[in-house]
Amino acid sequence: DAKTTQPNSMESNEEEPVHLPCNHSTISGTDYIHWYRQLPSQGPEYVIHGLTSNVNNRMASLAIAEDRKSSTLILHRATLRDAAVYYCILREDSGNTGKLIFGQGTTLQVKP
Amino acid sequence: GAGVSQSPRYKVAKRGQDVALRCDPISGHVSLFWYQQALGQGPEFLTYFQNEAQLDKSGLPSDRFFAERPEGSVSTLKIQRTQQEDSAVYLCASSLSGRTGTGELFFGEGSRLTVL
Repeated sequence: DAKTTQPNSMESNEEEPVHLPCNHSTISGTDYIHWYRQLPSQGPEYVIHGLTSNVNNRMASLAIAEDRKSSTLILHRATLRDAAVYYCILREDSGNTGKLIFGQGTTLQVKP
Repeated sequence: GAGVSQSPRYKVAKRGQDVALRCDPISGHVSLFWYQQALGQGPEFLTYFQNEAQLDKSGLPSDRFFAERPEGSVSTLKIQRTQQEDSAVYLCASSLSGRTGTGELFFGEGSRLTVL
């Protein structure tokens, strides 16, 4: 399974933008880039996903490098409720189960 | 509508006991996944069902772990002769679609198993 590399932790101030980086240099052409986050004592929740083009939704934006070897999750205005572990995951589009393989993720702290 | 429901939320077992963890996925969801999450770690894949068929059980750590989804909806994860290293949160997730790179997984809140 393709692997991702993320910083262990990041800090942000409330109401400021946050850029969470992810490296995935071994990504294959059929891998989608998914982001999930996990709030304390909860199951992971979907944030966003993309293939090649940048994506926006109500929660966040996903910026994908042209060579697809890295991506950045952007929270436009962090709130205290955004404090969570953020996982960047490559998900296969063919063959197997489409299962998500989680890494260690980035623990985001948001300071008031 | 209801999300993914898991029960029990908390389970304490003595070493050697058998446990059963239940997952009620979102109605109509084809795919169902089980994950194990140790304290401070990311979730680790255990097994995958597409409807009632168990298509991937590569993540099950030993033959003490068994999962079923007999009618393609509710699933049960059974752990026989529990060991202390089985202590973890067991997460269930469901997805509307079958095997695909797109599509969102919906996770339950998990069942926290503590083996004494």
